[in-house]
Amino acid sequence: KAGVTQTPRYLIKTRGQQVTLSCSPISGHRSVSWYQQTPGQGLQFLFEYFSETQRNKGNFPGRFSGRQFSNSRSEMNVSTLELGDSALYLCASSLDLTSGGHNEQFFGPGTRLTVL
Amino acid sequence: DAKTTQPNSMESNEEEPVHLPCNHSTISGTDYIHWYRQLPSQGPEYVIHGLTSNVNNRMASLAIAEDRKSSTLILHRATLRDAAVYYCILRDVYDMRFGAGTRLTVKP
Repeated sequence: KAGVTQTPRYLIKTRGQQVTLSCSPISGHRSVSWYQQTPGQGLQFLFEYFSETQRNKGNFPGRFSGRQFSNSRSEMNVSTLELGDSALYLCASSLDLTSGGHNEQFFGPGTRLTVL
Repeated sequence: DAKTTQPNSMESNEEEPVHLPCNHSTISGTDYIHWYRQLPSQGPEYVIHGLTSNVNNRMASLAIAEDRKSSTLILHRATLRDAAVYYCILRDVYDMRFGAGTRLTVKP
């Protein structure tokens, strides 16, 4: 079974631009979560989608948004990029989180975003 | 949010057991205790999880205190490939909240 894939792997943008990152979950997984990882803040939860619906959101500004398609693939978008948005963005998929926190998450390799 | 507390770093010798502690005094009855690790330049990798009872798998063992306010991840024989940041996470229904984790260094 193929793992979680994320594209692109590396991205360089300038301040003020917007960016879209893509995540393809493991086949059969319906839940997709996004995380931001920086040296200063560590791994921070962005949001989680299940069946095309956002079920939970972390403490990030509205510039960060996402969506999920009917095939469970997910995208996240960051508008009006700031220097502080430079980070590794990780996507993780899971069968379903509603089973009470039992299911493990499988992480992709991440997209390294650099904002200049 | 329920939070976890882990030591910033630990060292181990190769082929010796490693006990990685985690405190989670505000855990709720429905929180699962998950452990993930992150090797350099990779995304986090699932290690093990449990609710109340001790758990074993091919990678590690998880010992959970009777009051569930702490747990310990046990690597039975550390190898150089086990050098990573280990995260103890309380998992509720919809998301996982990562702490700073413990950086494990394995010395040959």
